[in-house]
Amino acid sequence: AQKITQTQPGMFVQEKEAVTLDCTYDTSDQSYGLFWYKQPSSGEMIFLIYQGSYDEQNATEGRYSLNFQKARKSANLVISASQLGDSAMYFCAMREGPPTGTYKYIFGTGTRLKVLA
Amino acid sequence: GAVVSQHPSRVICKSGTSVKIECRSLDFQATTMFWYRQFPKQSLMLMATSNEGSKATYEQGVEKDKFLINHASLTLSTLTVTSAHPEDSSFYICSARGSSGVEQYFGPGTRLTVT
Repeated sequence: AQKITQTQPGMFVQEKEAVTLDCTYDTSDQSYGLFWYKQPSSGEMIFLIYQGSYDEQNATEGRYSLNFQKARKSANLVISASQLGDSAMYFCAMREGPPTGTYKYIFGTGTRLKVLA
Repeated sequence: GAVVSQHPSRVICKSGTSVKIECRSLDFQATTMFWYRQFPKQSLMLMATSNEGSKATYEQGVEKDKFLINHASLTLSTLTVTSAHPEDSSFYICSARGSSGVEQYFGPGTRLTVT
């Protein structure tokens, strides 16, 4: 079974508009972390935002916010005021287990976002 | 911020030869590094977890004798693709676990082409 599911293979958004990229996850661990990464065509993985499973408030980093709904096991990324430079592949990832222990990351299949001028 | 470098960024090798990819944490010590493989338009697939001073832990389906991982120091892990074949052509990305354990810092990736 997929542990990280991104159901949107591709998304379009108009410049300056907001866009939500969906991510659902599946884990039986109580302690876990959720991440979003951006991968432009150059291939580098750029960290955007992190949400810990025990964090009560939704994470925000500038134009990025993470809509964390623990009961629904969803961790959607919201990008506000989209810019042309936001066009890239976006990956949702989960760290299973606490950060102090042995863990690994699991990545979703990604969503390709295209920002239109 | 934490920086991870990879070398080389691109490599072309002939079928049957071996190629080594280096992953370095430049400004922090990384007891754990991860190696990923990414095929075009696909996600990152974890190949192995590399711990300093011990044997790497390989994911199911990854041939440990083909993908040799060495993590000899707290700042360097290497991945050697032995007897490379065209199907090994891929984008290989390493990452290093940060000291807090929360974050992992990615290298810029190495694009391997086997001819």
